[in-house]
Amino acid sequence: QKEVEQNSGPLSVPEGAIASLNCTYSDRGSQSFFWYRQYSGKSPELIMFIYSNGDKEDGRFTAQLNKASQYVSLLIRDSQPSDSATYLCAVESRRTGGFKTIFGAGTRLFVKA
Amino acid sequence: DGGITQSPKYLFRKEGQNVTLSCEQNLNHDAMYWYRQDPGQGLRLIYYSQIVNDFQKGDIAEGYSVSREKKESFPLTVTSAQKNPTAFYLCASRPTGNEKLFFGSGTQLSVL
Repeated sequence: QKEVEQNSGPLSVPEGAIASLNCTYSDRGSQSFFWYRQYSGKSPELIMFIYSNGDKEDGRFTAQLNKASQYVSLLIRDSQPSDSATYLCAVESRRTGGFKTIFGAGTRLFVKA
Repeated sequence: DGGITQSPKYLFRKEGQNVTLSCEQNLNHDAMYWYRQDPGQGLRLIYYSQIVNDFQKGDIAEGYSVSREKKESFPLTVTSAQKNPTAFYLCASRPTGNEKLFFGSGTQLSVL
């Protein structure tokens, strides 16, 4: 079992729709959860982070965390063509020697104009 | 401006050759990381370091080596033991745990 799993997609949604991206993780001791967006050939950029169970909203983005189910999701409302990218789920755990951040394989999102 | 600088942007390796990728940060961050990304894949952790003169293996450390002699610098050497080195390599740093990663712009390594 991979430590962090995501559906690779591609996920295709029409402009203005809600895009829903999902992620599961295996380490119950994981403490912090991040969503990064990555455009082709570029470095990842942080979209959202969440530490506690429940929802966290920031503009068009909502992150949801359920530690009991080891599940984290990202909702993008009013999707725009510029949101087309790969979305990486990242999970952080404390290990000997420091904090270790593990990424999922990413979900490719296409927003059709 | 503060940030993370990776160099070179593109690097070519010959068979049996060791190559070193540079990563420098002036953000005063304690922790630094190296990730490898293959086409259409996520990031896989190679090595990470929380403090100077200490580093830990990630999930795919075989064929790679690192050093952390200075807080600002975390170079990655791709050795000849790494048989499939072609990938996009990303260096990252963070001030402490529970914080986002700051990424460099990456190095694309290819085999001649």
